[in-house]
Amino acid sequence: GENVEQHPSTLSVQEGDSAVIKCTYSDSASNYFPWYKQELGKGPQLIIDIRSNVGEKKDQRIAVTLNKTAKHFSLHITETQPEDSAVYFCAARETGRRALTFGSGTRLQVQP
Amino acid sequence: DAGVIQSPRHEVTEMGQEVTLRCKPISGHDYLFWYRQTMMRGLELLIYFNNNVPIDDSGMPEDRFSAKMPNASFSTLKIQPSEPRDSAVYFCASSTVSGRAGNIQYFGAGTRLSVL
Repeated sequence: GENVEQHPSTLSVQEGDSAVIKCTYSDSASNYFPWYKQELGKGPQLIIDIRSNVGEKKDQRIAVTLNKTAKHFSLHITETQPEDSAVYFCAARETGRRALTFGSGTRLQVQP
Repeated sequence: DAGVIQSPRHEVTEMGQEVTLRCKPISGHDYLFWYRQTMMRGLELLIYFNNNVPIDDSGMPEDRFSAKMPNASFSTLKIQPSEPRDSAVYFCASSTVSGRAGNIQYFGAGTRLSVL
């Protein structure tokens, strides 16, 4: 089955700086890669996703890049704000399956 | 839509008791997922349904866990008997394959289970 590794486990940045979180996956058949944000006491919420036929996707301050050859994808947050502080999870989904395999999470803290 | 609704939000029980967690998916969604979140194991899939039929239950830890989906708007996850190691946050999520929102899994707020 799929295995997703995520790092770093914690990340602290100053407000206004950029943050980058990286994930690798094991199954070359995976074709869908979402990123979720989880705030304290809440369920994960999708913030951006990318499919395997696209190399990069951007939505305002958030961008995701995918390198299929190397089997890794990254989340980039620019101009970080205190409200970006949360736990971020990457995930991968194998072709033909509906279930997601999640990374272990990154706790991002944005210092004001 | 109110989103995925889970109940109860918190459950405290004693070892050996039966626990039932409930989930109402988003109307019109045909996939429903149960996940468990712990510090040690992160977010792990327990089981998922398509059109009320269980598709993959390979993540269900043992026979003490069972899940049902009697109709498109309701699912339960039952633990009987419960053990302290079952303490975790249990999430339900739903999705649909159609439209622009296809593939996106929408999560409920979770049920925090503590087994004493």
